[in-house]
Amino acid sequence: DTAVSQTPKYLVTQMGNDKSIKCEQNLGHDTMYWYKQDSKKFLKIMFSYNNKELIINETVPNRFSPKSPDKAHLNLHINSLELGDSAVYFCASSHPGQALNTEAFFGQGTRLTVV
Amino acid sequence: LAKTTQPISMDSYEGQEVNITCSHNNIATNDYITWYQQFPSQGPRFIIQGYKTKVTNEVASLFIPADRKSSTLSLPRVSLSDTAVYYCLVGDGNKAAGNKLTFGGGTRVLVKP
Repeated sequence: DTAVSQTPKYLVTQMGNDKSIKCEQNLGHDTMYWYKQDSKKFLKIMFSYNNKELIINETVPNRFSPKSPDKAHLNLHINSLELGDSAVYFCASSHPGQALNTEAFFGQGTRLTVV
Repeated sequence: LAKTTQPISMDSYEGQEVNITCSHNNIATNDYITWYQQFPSQGPRFIIQGYKTKVTNEVASLFIPADRKSSTLSLPRVSLSDTAVYYCLVGDGNKAAGNKLTFGGGTRVLVKP
């Protein structure tokens, strides 16, 4: 009964391909995030959605497009994959309605390798 | 956003207490201090959060001095399974939405037998 689940866990693909990573949370949270963790283990936020609306969009190439069909899902689509996109991508969710919204729940991550 | 500074790594032995100090000199009045733990090949996991003085839960204790410019995460009697990266975060916990949860470099804790 995973709280935040991502699929796939591993993704190996060639440069130039288009791929998607799916994320679902069953916690009833309003806010979902995508983070990227590079080879040096730095975690950087990419996007944040609140109730299906984009609220944070960091400096991320246009090739990355998040889509939130409902507040329980936040998918990440990546066009024209490049070698530098290789990283672990984490989905997370939190509930800003609570007094302290800095407790986020993370998925297991998707290790993307572009060859 | 307040920047945080913490040691890159720490070694310890089973049964010892581990204390990780995080500096956040520019912490704002509304900022809370949150610590996360990340095991290899897993996502970060919330450990503890506090605003001032001391907070304790079943996993750890968090000590925050009066000036709030630093905080110390204390892990009592660590075991091998506590080997992980520990991140200190500072942010406005009361922001309605869009909290970025900015992660720094973290402290890699290695617990040895």
